[in-house]
Amino acid sequence: KQEVTQIPAALSVPEGENLVLNCSFTDSAIYNLQWFRQDPGKGLTSLLLIQSSQREQTSGRLNASLDKSSGRSTLYIAASQPGDSATYLCAVPQGTALIFGKGTTLSVSS
Amino acid sequence: SAVISQKPSRDICQRGTSLTIQCQVDSQVTMMFWYRQQPGQSLTLIATANQGSEATYESGFVIDKFPISRPNLTFSTLTVSNMSPEDSSIYLCSVGIGLAGANEQFFGPGTRLTVL
Repeated sequence: KQEVTQIPAALSVPEGENLVLNCSFTDSAIYNLQWFRQDPGKGLTSLLLIQSSQREQTSGRLNASLDKSSGRSTLYIAASQPGDSATYLCAVPQGTALIFGKGTTLSVSS
Repeated sequence: SAVISQKPSRDICQRGTSLTIQCQVDSQVTMMFWYRQQPGQSLTLIATANQGSEATYESGFVIDKFPISRPNLTFSTLTVSNMSPEDSSIYLCSVGIGLAGANEQFFGPGTRLTVL
């Protein structure tokens, strides 16, 4: 059974810092991994989808890496801004649906 | 990608009543899902909504409690029946674009349900 773990659970940083969010999964037989952002009380916004054949995927200030063999992914956020404050979730497919981690809640202070 | 809307965005309901949540997608999609997010928790899959057949429910979820309709490839409803305060959650629909097991998923804005 696939399990997804995210550390840290919460993170507070001053504006401008670069930061790394971590995601690990127990079953490395995945086709892809997806990172989402969730604002309080809202739905999920897809940030990055990284295929199993890729090692990295970039979108603006975000960079996601994937190491299938070790069951790990990282989301790197460069030059953080207060608007980046949200919960970040990673998810991997199991069958047709997704298994989610519990998320990292990020707070960026100005 | 896909644009997904949900109605209602939030509701406050009395114990013992039922609420139907609607999910509309801007394009035809094969895979549509319903998730629940309880307070302070991550998302848990309730069921896969299948067009033209019964939904496929995950362990711990049953059709009598969460009946689902999928009349076409752009629309689905989830009903939360005989509600109790434990049903207070955010309910989200999502669609999968791409191959089964390797798809990218997009989510609606969610329906925030509070049961008194």
